Amino acid sequence: TQLLEQSPQFLSIQEGENLTVYCNSSSVFSSLQWYRQEPGEGPVLLVTVVTGGEVKKLKRLTFQFGDARKDSSLHITAAQPGDTGLYLCAGARETSGSRLTFGEGTQLTVNP
Amino acid sequence: NAGVMQNPRHLVRRRGQEARLRCSPVKGHSHVYWYRQLPEEGLKFMVYLQKENIIDESGMPKERFSAEFPKEGPSILRIQQVVRGDSAAYFCASSQHQTWTSGGSNTGELFFGEGSRLTVL
Repeated sequence: TQLLEQSPQFLSIQEGENLTVYCNSSSVFSSLQWYRQEPGEGPVLLVTVVTGGEVKKLKRLTFQFGDARKDSSLHITAAQPGDTGLYLCAGARETSGSRLTFGEGTQLTVNP
Repeated sequence: NAGVMQNPRHLVRRRGQEARLRCSPVKGHSHVYWYRQLPEEGLKFMVYLQKENIIDESGMPKERFSAEFPKEGPSILRIQQVVRGDSAAYFCASSQHQTWTSGGSNTGELFFGEGSRLTVL
């Protein structure tokens, strides 16, 4: 059973378009992180959200944590080829100690 | 500042051989985590260690896999008698503090290495 479901799994868009990636669960998470991973490299943390309803912005990226802390979304405005990569959400639960549960990722390709 | 250093970056082993993967955390970090990533999948937690102690090994297979983080030197993930299903990318991450408190509040960023890619022939 996958605790964190990411959608879509693959996304290919043209430069300048907007997109939203979703991370959903039936479980409550105490906090949620978004990472970006490029081929042959490790994940790099983009943001951590901890409060239900929280919205964080990082330049053209907007992250939202659901009110019930079961879901999150990542919205990219005016996507650029440099945004291409695997986007992973990861959640922490109070019962999981230091373990992070990762979603399976959304592979984003932004075509010039 | 050096980030998390993993070696080897690529490792090829035949079935039945042993694989040793090394991880040097960010300087000053005493918390190390190992994750495994299969092709086109997310990362799966394996083990969490502090210096000389295994804190959580709930994601580690019961047989053939072991991990250590000695007082001196890197953390090592050891896989004995490898099988084809062990082929994956193994990522190490470190943090300065325990990433999550018992209350669930985040206390530290997780820094990942570039991974060690194991191929079992």
